[in-house]
Amino acid sequence: AQKITQTQPGMFVQEKEAVTLDCTYDTSDQSYGLFWYKQPSSGEMIFLIYQGSYDEQNATEGRYSLNFQKARKSANLVISASQLGDSAMYFCATANQAGTALIFGKGTTLSVSS
Amino acid sequence: EAGVAQSPRYKIIEKRQSVAFWCNPISGHATLYWYQQILGQGPKLLIQFQNNGVVDDSQLPKDRFSAERLKGVDSTLKIQPAKLEDSAVYLCASSPWDGGTQYFGPGTRLLVL
Repeated sequence: AQKITQTQPGMFVQEKEAVTLDCTYDTSDQSYGLFWYKQPSSGEMIFLIYQGSYDEQNATEGRYSLNFQKARKSANLVISASQLGDSAMYFCATANQAGTALIFGKGTTLSVSS
Repeated sequence: EAGVAQSPRYKIIEKRQSVAFWCNPISGHATLYWYQQILGQGPKLLIQFQNNGVVDDSQLPKDRFSAERLKGVDSTLKIQPAKLEDSAVYLCASSPWDGGTQYFGPGTRLLVL
């Protein structure tokens, strides 16, 4: 069975600093995807970034990048130049390529201060 | 492009009452998911539809929860009768195909008293 582990319940960062949110995964599938979502206090899950297990390069989307280390089964999210609006809950998730539902971790609360 | 729509946004009911949630996915998205998110946890799948057929309902408590997606577009999730432990956020998501990126609606926050 697939599993996502996020070991940081909360992270604190100053504006304009970079922050890394940790995610490790466990899967027996050869082909799978890794996702990060942001959930502000309003409750909506906002898709941030995706990494496929066969992608050779780390995914990037604007200020978000995914540090994918396949051998260590980690998929950490890096947010560069943090902004106050980045304060939210962040979830790492995985799904196999066959399209089963996402398996989420417990999330990390990020607080950005000025 | 309009996002995933859900209603109502908030609902308060007493235990043993029934409640229904509605979801309208992004236009053209064939796959629709209902997730339950209990406070402090990540979302967990309740049911997945591909068009109007059920792909996975293994985690749906079928003695009290039901869902349908008539005509393969919008969907309704029902709880009857509700229990205290059903208090959660119910999230609907859709994807353009089985395995595509899932896009979520704003969710319905349910409180069962």
